[in-house]
Amino acid sequence: EDKVVQSPLSLVVHEGDTVTLNCSYEVTNFRSLLWYKQEKKAPTFLFMLTSSGIEKKSGRLSSILDKKELFSILNITATQTGDSAVYLCAVEADEGAQKLVFGQGTRLTINP
Amino acid sequence: EAQVTQNPRYLITVTGKKLTVTCSQNMNHEYMSWYRQDPGLGLRQIYYSMNVEVTDKGDVPEGYKVSRKEKRNFPLILESPSPNQTSLYFCASSFGSRTRLYEQYFGPGTRLTVT
Repeated sequence: EDKVVQSPLSLVVHEGDTVTLNCSYEVTNFRSLLWYKQEKKAPTFLFMLTSSGIEKKSGRLSSILDKKELFSILNITATQTGDSAVYLCAVEADEGAQKLVFGQGTRLTINP
Repeated sequence: EAQVTQNPRYLITVTGKKLTVTCSQNMNHEYMSWYRQDPGLGLRQIYYSMNVEVTDKGDVPEGYKVSRKEKRNFPLILESPSPNQTSLYFCASSFGSRTRLYEQYFGPGTRLTVT
């Protein structure tokens, strides 16, 4: 059974801290890994990763994939209160047609 | 404006009363999908569609039906809703190919309560 596990499930830090969120997976025929940010509404896309070792960056956020060890990390540096959200990891698996398997999410709270 | 719309946004209904949640996208996306989100369980895929008249089951299809008669629309049908289908539902769409999905755009969500 395809599985995506995120850790920690919840994290509380102070503004300015750096955080690392983890996502490990076991899926059939891995295609890509995606990170989303979900505030009080629909998830919004952050990154798509397909190749090992290539870091994707967007401002203070960055992510990298390790296809050998089957995990990805999402780093957020110099955190701000606006980074408070649930961060979702999803893996695209191909079992004849594409499907997405999501992890449970990490709830990140940034305190001022 | 590129968007995915869902209707209704909120719905309270009773057990057994058939309902349809509509989803429409204006980005000419091939791929559309329905998810439900429950506390502690993350997003779980219900059904997805690679193109018109092509649908497939996700992880939790029981109790749901879908159809894809037009590229822009992907309605979710609950023939006989039960309380365990109380959840937050998201529709999403993206460009897709036989090799890879691309960035998914999510609708605003439909909060369904079945009593």
